[in-house]
Amino acid sequence: GENVEQHPSTLSVQEGDSAVIKCTYSDSASNYFPWYKQELGKRPQLIIDIRSNVGEKKDQRIAVTLNKTAKHFSLHITETQPEDSAVYFCAASTGEGFQKLVFGTGTRLLVSP
Amino acid sequence: GAVVSQHPSWVICKSGTSVKIECRSLDFQATTMFWYRQFPKQSLMLMATSNEGSKATYEQGVEKDKFLINHASLTLSTLTVTSAHPEDSSFYICSAYLRLAGVVNEQFFGPGTRLTVL
Repeated sequence: GENVEQHPSTLSVQEGDSAVIKCTYSDSASNYFPWYKQELGKRPQLIIDIRSNVGEKKDQRIAVTLNKTAKHFSLHITETQPEDSAVYFCAASTGEGFQKLVFGTGTRLLVSP
Repeated sequence: GAVVSQHPSWVICKSGTSVKIECRSLDFQATTMFWYRQFPKQSLMLMATSNEGSKATYEQGVEKDKFLINHASLTLSTLTVTSAHPEDSSFYICSAYLRLAGVVNEQFFGPGTRLTVL
């Protein structure tokens, strides 16, 4: 089955710096890769996603890149702000119809003012 | 936007009792819902896929007789933790799958239910 690895587990940056989180997946058939932000005790919130027919997608300060050959995808946050502090999870679709998601282990991002 | 609710938001129960958690899609119909479990400082682990009108599909290692899932309508799935024990204490999150014909396929998550078993 699908296996998703995520690095780093924790990431501390200064406000205004960029943050990069990387994920690798094992199932070459996966075709949907969402990223979620989760604050303590809250539900995961989709912040950006990318599908296998696209190599890069950007939404304001957030961007995601996908390398299908290498089976890895990355989240890039520019001009970080303290409110970006949270746990970020990557995920990859799998299973029949590719509706199921397998989540990475999470990255705790801390943005210091 | 698509909204998913869960009830209750938290529950405390004694060991050996059963607890039912409801997951509702409020403004769309979901033929497929998912149940996840999240332990503190860990990732979301998929427990089962709930399909309206049919039996749930459980992930490897999840006891189907302990975690009963019923998806009786297109807007409601329930998870019942039977004979709960302290090790079942966790954050349970559901999601509802929205498929727009030819367009987006996306999961929308409920707010989660924190279960504490004493």
